[in-house]
Amino acid sequence: GNSVTQMEGPVTLSEEAFLTINCTYTATGYPSLFWYVQYPGEGLQLLLKATKADDKGSNKGFEATYRKETTSFHLEKGSVQVSDSAVYFCALRGNQGGKLIFGQGTELSVKP
Amino acid sequence: DGGITQSPKYLFRKEGQNVTLSCEQNLNHDAMYWYRQDPGQGLRLIYYSQIVNDFQKGDIAEGYSVSREKKESFPLTVTSAQKNPTAFYLCASSMRLGQKNTGELFFGEGSRLTVL
Repeated sequence: GNSVTQMEGPVTLSEEAFLTINCTYTATGYPSLFWYVQYPGEGLQLLLKATKADDKGSNKGFEATYRKETTSFHLEKGSVQVSDSAVYFCALRGNQGGKLIFGQGTELSVKP
Repeated sequence: DGGITQSPKYLFRKEGQNVTLSCEQNLNHDAMYWYRQDPGQGLRLIYYSQIVNDFQKGDIAEGYSVSREKKESFPLTVTSAQKNPTAFYLCASSMRLGQKNTGELFFGEGSRLTVL
């Protein structure tokens, strides 16, 4: 079945550091891929998405590229801020529709 | 503004009591979902509904029940049969599964249930 694997957290960075959160997936066909962010005490918000191979999703300085050859969708940001501290979830939906499958989440903590 | 409203935000319950969590959306979405979130375990799907008067069990439905009498509403009841109900519960909605869309979910702000 479909699955998503994220790097384990917590990830602790200093402000202005470069961020990478790894995400790999297992799925048949061409799923849609998502990154969601959850700020403390809140629900999840969509951060970015990509629906086909080689697409790059971007939002708020974050980027992720849909890599079919490596079945990956790593999240990157060139310079993190304290306000980026949150839990980040990678997710996929199969190309036949179906449920959204989430990774276990990666907690990011950015220190001033 | 369009969105999803969950209530209450915090809820305390004694063991053996049922409790119902409310979820209302005004996004005109056909599909609605309930997830449970525990520390370090990500999100687990409890129930989902693709259309009014129909719903399906997710991965951890035991001890929970739902109804979908209106398109806008998808309440979740946590019954006394749920062995470990203390958790953060998230409701979400989307366009109907299988429609030509990217499948984005829109989430409420969550309800934190604590069993005393």
